Amino acid sequence: QKEVEQDPGPLSVPEGAIVSLNCTYSNSAFQYFMWYRQYSRKGPELLMYTYSSGNKEDGRFTAQVDKSSKYISLFIRDSQPSDSATYLCAMRPSNTGKLIFGQGTTLQVKP
Amino acid sequence: NAGVTQTPKFQVLKTGQSMTLQCAQDMNHNSMYWYRQDPGMGLRLIYYSASEGTTDKGEVPNGYNVSRLNKREFSLRLESAAPSQTSVYFCASSANRVRDTQYFGPGTRLTVL
Repeated sequence: QKEVEQDPGPLSVPEGAIVSLNCTYSNSAFQYFMWYRQYSRKGPELLMYTYSSGNKEDGRFTAQVDKSSKYISLFIRDSQPSDSATYLCAMRPSNTGKLIFGQGTTLQVKP
Repeated sequence: NAGVTQTPKFQVLKTGQSMTLQCAQDMNHNSMYWYRQDPGMGLRLIYYSASEGTTDKGEVPNGYNVSRLNKREFSLRLESAAPSQTSVYFCASSANRVRDTQYFGPGTRLTVL
């Protein structure tokens, strides 16, 4: 079983929809949680960065971490065609920089 | 400020050939990383360099070697390429290995025939 599980999709939504992307994990030592966005044939770029449990909001994006359930989410409000990309969750313990990635969810936002 | 750059962008090799993937960063970061990305597998760490002069194995190091040439440059070498090494390779860097986020290059698409 993988340490981090992420539904690969693809997920297709109409423009303006609220998108929910999720990852589950098994390692209770994970303390730092990230979401990366990767456009086709490009490198991943950091979207959201959260430490421990709680919510973090940045514009149309909200990241949630529920450590008790070992579950993290990324919400995208008022989704745009430009949000069409693969979204990768990543996480690590506090004492190492070694990131463990989910396999990524491909999102398509249709105009 | 180019961030993380990688060369080449594309490469086709025959089984048994060798090659070196180059990576450079201009952000004065201490730590650098090499990942491979395969369908359904996400990104997996091959090797990393926490600081200049040090390198360590990641999750999938077999068949690869690395060199931290200086603070800016971190190369990945395939000594005898195999079809299983067909992948997209990403280099990344971070200011400090433990605390800081990683910034990725554009990737190298490698096909081994």
